Amino acid sequence: EVFLVESGGGLVQPGESLRLSCTASGITSGDDAMSWVRLAPGRGLEWVGFIRNRASGGTTDYAASVKGRFTISRDDSRNMVYLQMNSLKSDDTAVYYCSRCRGSTCFYVSWGQGTLVTVSS
Amino acid sequence: DIQITQSPSTLSASVGDTVTITCRASQAITTSLAWYQQKLGEAPKLLMSRPSILESGVPSRFSGTGSGTEFSLTISSLQPDDFATYYCQQYHFFSTFGQGTKVEIK
Repeated sequence: EVFLVESGGGLVQPGESLRLSCTASGITSGDDAMSWVRLAPGRGLEWVGFIRNRASGGTTDYAASVKGRFTISRDDSRNMVYLQMNSLKSDDTAVYYCSRCRGSTCFYVSWGQGTLVTVSS
Repeated sequence: DIQITQSPSTLSASVGDTVTITCRASQAITTSLAWYQQKLGEAPKLLMSRPSILESGVPSRFSGTGSGTEFSLTISSLQPDDFATYYCQQYHFFSTFGQGTKVEIK
């Protein structure tokens, strides 16, 4: 069974940075694309971005709302995925989920429990 | 970007009812659509993809249809465990979620 565990959430002020981590267990590193999805208060799920699997070059793409501010990376040797968030805004307040795609096709077969990021002064 | 319009936003129903949720894509996405169930305080759970292939362990009362721009999720004989929020997601080009449908007890 696959387990994803996010960490690194917390309270930050607008303009600050935060890095979220996702630890994966029970999978073969590098085989699956990985995504970050968020759930903001009173809103629905929003795709943040993803990093392709090793076979697809490990490249990244992002939602327009975070492009240029957020960066996703992965360390397959440690089964880790990261979300570096810079220039945070109040609109970025949300529960952030790490999710696993099925191979290179990004519907999400596994999810972490989520980590809360609150951006407030 | 591909937009997804999901309706209704809220649906009131009773145990035993059959309910249908629809998603419309702003452009054709072939069959690249998935459905998720999310309960309060929990992570989303994948129900089905493409859009009628049930994940292992998902009850057969859940069914999905559609292709191109029009899709639907039907829950037959609603059970107490089914009251939750449901989302569709297109994965044809990057990813977009619908706005969600809260299925609540009438």
